[in-house]
Amino acid sequence: DQQVKQNSPSLSVQEGRISILNCDYTNSMFDYFLWYKKYPAEGPTFLISISSIKDKNEDGRFTVFLNKSAKHLSLHIVPSQPGDSAVYFCAASEVDTDKLIFGTGTRLQVFP
Amino acid sequence: DADVTQTPRNRITKTGKRIMLECSQTKGHDRMYWYRQDPGLGLRLIYYSFDVKDINKGEISDGYSVSRQAQAKFSLSLESAIPNQTALYFCATSDYQGGPDTQYFGPGTRLTVL
Repeated sequence: DQQVKQNSPSLSVQEGRISILNCDYTNSMFDYFLWYKKYPAEGPTFLISISSIKDKNEDGRFTVFLNKSAKHLSLHIVPSQPGDSAVYFCAASEVDTDKLIFGTGTRLQVFP
Repeated sequence: DADVTQTPRNRITKTGKRIMLECSQTKGHDRMYWYRQDPGLGLRLIYYSFDVKDINKGEISDGYSVSRQAQAKFSLSLESAIPNQTALYFCATSDYQGGPDTQYFGPGTRLTVL
């Protein structure tokens, strides 16, 4: 039973345009959400996070939006750059637990 | 130097063999985790440890065991490897201080079981 879902396995975007990566979850007890970025032959690296008390968090070119009623979050990258090409994982943690539940990942390719 | 290191980085072994994957960290974090990544399945938690005396099973612990030798070291063992344990394995650490938890990952170990 996949509690965190990334329904798009891949996304291709032109350099300079916006990349939107989506993530859906089923567990209403999740209170914290994170995005990780993974390059080939490397471990995932933390990118940005959001608490359930917020609906938006911004860090430079990266913005995460949270829609709790829809149990949906998205990561916006503006403008997209070739160096953003990687696999992006959405993750969530539940109130009073210390474990992350990861989605299956979306491979983003930014082309010139 | 990397904060979280994993050895070996690549390993090919045969069915039935015992294998150990090692993780070391210099971040001073108390919490350590082992995940495996499979295509189309994302990262799944195998075991985790909140301190040297604490070991907990994750969602896919069958066929694996762990040892927390010190705050900085957390090893994953496959007692009798089987082909469906072929995967990419990641160690992670975190410094939970009562707030949201962010985990830091090692570079991974690619394990192939023939």
